[in-house]
Formats: sequence, C-alpha cells, structure tokens
Amino acid sequence: QSALTQPASVSGSPGQSITISCTGTSSDVGSYNLVSWYQQHPGKAPKLMIYEVSKRPSGVSNRFSGSKSGNTASLTISGLQAEDEADYYCCSYAGSSTPFGGGTKLTVL
Amino acid sequence: EVQLLESGGGLVQPGGSLRLSCAASGFTFSSYAMSWVRQAPGKGLEWVSAISGSGGSTYYADSVKGRFTISRDNSKNTLYLQMNSLRAEDTAVYYCALMSDDYVWGSHMDVWGQGTTVTVSS
Repeated sequence: QSALTQPASVSGSPGQSITISCTGTSSDVGSYNLVSWYQQHPGKAPKLMIYEVSKRPSGVSNRFSGSKSGNTASLTISGLQAEDEADYYCCSYAGSSTPFGGGTKLTVL
Repeated sequence: EVQLLESGGGLVQPGGSLRLSCAASGFTFSSYAMSWVRQAPGKGLEWVSAISGSGGSTYYADSVKGRFTISRDNSKNTLYLQMNSLRAEDTAVYYCALMSDDYVWGSHMDVWGQGTTVTVSS
C-alpha cells in the first residue's frame, strides 16, 4: 500500500480539464510544500511535470498546474490532449523518506 | 544536455548480487544528489535509495536496507547501486534520477535515466 493515495484512473475528453488528487497525511503532504508530480508514458522513464506543489519546470506546458489543500495535493491538466494519456505519480517529502503515490492512469477518450 | 545512462541489469538467481551503474553527463555531477527508483512489472514507482552530492550521506528504503549499497564516484561521474541478497520482489526496472539540489530530503527528481531491468528468478 502506497503512502500517498491516488485514484487508480481518471478520464476526460480532448479539450476538457481533469484533476488528479494525491492524499497524504500531516506528516508528508500536509506539512511541506514539497509535492512533485511525474508523467510516465508506457515503456518510458518518468518525467517531472510539477515540483514544490505548483512550480513547472522549463518546457512543461502551462496546461499542467498543481495545488494543495491540507493533506491533499492536486494536479490539474486543462485542454486535454491525446498525448497527455499516461500514468501520473505524486511524490512528497516526508521527513526521512520520499514516498510515491500509487499512480493514476489518465485516459483521453 | 543532461543524460543519465543506467547499465548492469540482468537475470540473477535469488540470493545473488548485481551492481548497477548510472553514467551521468551534461551537468556538474558532484553538485547534485542522486537517487535510485524502481518499478516492478505493472506496478508503481518505489524510491529505493539516495546519496548526497559529496557521497557523505546515504539513505535507503526499509525494503532494501542492509542489502543494497548506494555509492558514487564523482571523478567518473558515475552512480552505483550494489544489490546483494536479491529476492524475487526486487525484480523491477531500476531508474537513476538526478535530484534538484546537493541535498536529498526536500529536493525533487529533475531528470531520469531510461532504466535497467533486474530480474531475480531461479
């Protein structure tokens, strides 16, 4: 069982917006603004999409945004595109470890 | 351009050993912490181990503590993971990742290698 809880799957149509949640505890997500999100296409390495809750690395589309409320962090993808179909993982600093969420499979209908 | 190239994976019997390597280029290797993250077949990501830029601080997940050893050779720009007493549940793709800073805790995984596959089976 992952330390961070994500929905197993979400889906949306092209052009729509979706949000993926990542629920932790007051010992990880709730205590630090150090949540990151990674995108992984099948057979490929993960790619950093969001860090420190809401910051975007250079080159990542501004359609990707992050936020946090209490013990839950969220990744929102607006204007869904076919290439956004992938697995998404959250990760949070937790004192002396760095747990990942179980991953969410995003399907673009 | 930052590049990370893992090698050393393969098929090993339970109880055996393997040493993974990650050759880094495109950045000042000694200035950044590094991590190993694994992904079992069909499963999610699991952080395995991390090391500070100088190599002076190392950290391990409970699942590998006492069996795996992370190290780095900053003169060769190479990260290592020595894996001993391997178990079937260690079967996974192992990724090395460049952390965003010299320290481990609180930094994120900026760039990932393509991974190397470890299979533990008799």
